Amino acid sequence: ELKVEQNPLFLSMQEGKNYTIYCNYSTTSDRLYWYRQDPGKSLESLFVLLSNGAVKQEGRLMASLDTKARLSTLHITAAVHDLSATYFCAASNFGNEKLTFGTGTRLTIIP
Amino acid sequence: EAQVTQNPRYLITVTGKKLTVTCSQNMNHEYMSWYRQDPGLGLRQIYYSMNVEVTDKGDVPEGYKVSRKEKRNFPLILESPSPNQTSLYFCASSTGQEWSYNEQFFGPGTRLTVL
Repeated sequence: ELKVEQNPLFLSMQEGKNYTIYCNYSTTSDRLYWYRQDPGKSLESLFVLLSNGAVKQEGRLMASLDTKARLSTLHITAAVHDLSATYFCAASNFGNEKLTFGTGTRLTIIP
Repeated sequence: EAQVTQNPRYLITVTGKKLTVTCSQNMNHEYMSWYRQDPGLGLRQIYYSMNVEVTDKGDVPEGYKVSRKEKRNFPLILESPSPNQTSLYFCASSTGQEWSYNEQFFGPGTRLTVL
């Protein structure tokens, strides 16, 4: 059974700092997703990663995937207040599109 | 605009009163699914559909029903709601294509309270 773990669960960081959110998954997975959720809002797709060594970047966020280690990371560079949100990773397999989610990382950026 | 819509967005009801939450997508997606989100538990899949007239259980299907009579619609039915179904519900859709990124798009959510 696929399980997804994220850490940390809560992260408070100062503006301008760098940090990384980690996402481990328990069994082979074909796709790794990162989503952002603002309070009371829906999930916004950030990245979808398919292959080992995949790296995608959008603004101050960069996601990477290491399928051998079953690990994905979401790196935040020079954080700004607008990045405060809850970030979820999720995994799925080809032929079974169910997303198995981690419990999320609540990120708070302090001015 | 490509989107997934849900109605209602907020609903307060009483135990045992049947209700339906509608979900519609305008992207001609094959795959649709329902998730519930609960604090500390993340999102868990309730039911999914690979295509019209094809539905199957997810991880937490008890107390829910679905139907897929048209490609664009995937309603979630609670025949006899109970307080433990109080949650935030999301509908999602994707192309369902294997060997692809298969980005999944989420609706705005329905906050359900069962008294």
